[in-house]
Amino acid sequence: DAKTTQPPSMDCAEGRAANLPCNHSTISGNEYVYWYRQIHSQGPQYIIHGLKNNETNEMASLIITEDRKSSTLILPHATLRDTAVYYCIVRGYNQGGKLIFGQGTELSVKP
Amino acid sequence: DTAVSQTPKYLVTQMGNDKSIKCEQNLGHDTMYWYKQDSKKFLKIMFSYNNKELIINETVPNRFSPKSPDKAHLNLHINSLELGDSAVYFCASSQVAPSYNEQFFGPGTRLTVL
Repeated sequence: DAKTTQPPSMDCAEGRAANLPCNHSTISGNEYVYWYRQIHSQGPQYIIHGLKNNETNEMASLIITEDRKSSTLILPHATLRDTAVYYCIVRGYNQGGKLIFGQGTELSVKP
Repeated sequence: DTAVSQTPKYLVTQMGNDKSIKCEQNLGHDTMYWYKQDSKKFLKIMFSYNNKELIINETVPNRFSPKSPDKAHLNLHINSLELGDSAVYFCASSQVAPSYNEQFFGPGTRLTVL
């Protein structure tokens, strides 16, 4: 079962930063935090992952708290095309690649 | 070029029939997966193959039989289809070494069992 907790839905104004929280209070030392998103009717898309340091790529930033019990995915300038369900997933590197998806956060970016 | 492709995109069939869904990846990955997304949008892993060897089987009914003829292909055959098999099926692939990172998903196959 998924070991993460996310709000079911969030709204964000176009052009503003979208901050999506995730709680993973039972994360163990060798588990990574992954973020995927699923735009309506499409396959999930990888966004970013991290262990304990903050990470940034061309899509987003991932901020992980020092105790690693929670994280925040930041989309710096949300666009309408970022409207999607965002999944926060905790996974160890040696778990056969299995992704366990929870309910995710449905992000609506509004004009 | 599509990285992970699935055929067909839509599949409508009668209960009791046998059907197959095909998946191909051109990314050179050595691991492929099948996921099922039901009507409530829950996405759940079904199978995983690494270099044609089954490594994950999430207690899926044995009416579902994955087949990997080579590491670029992972097909899903379903026997005696039931109403509850109606869902969107996603294929995915990733590279194991040096670590399990990004999984690339296909566009999905929407299966409707009548």
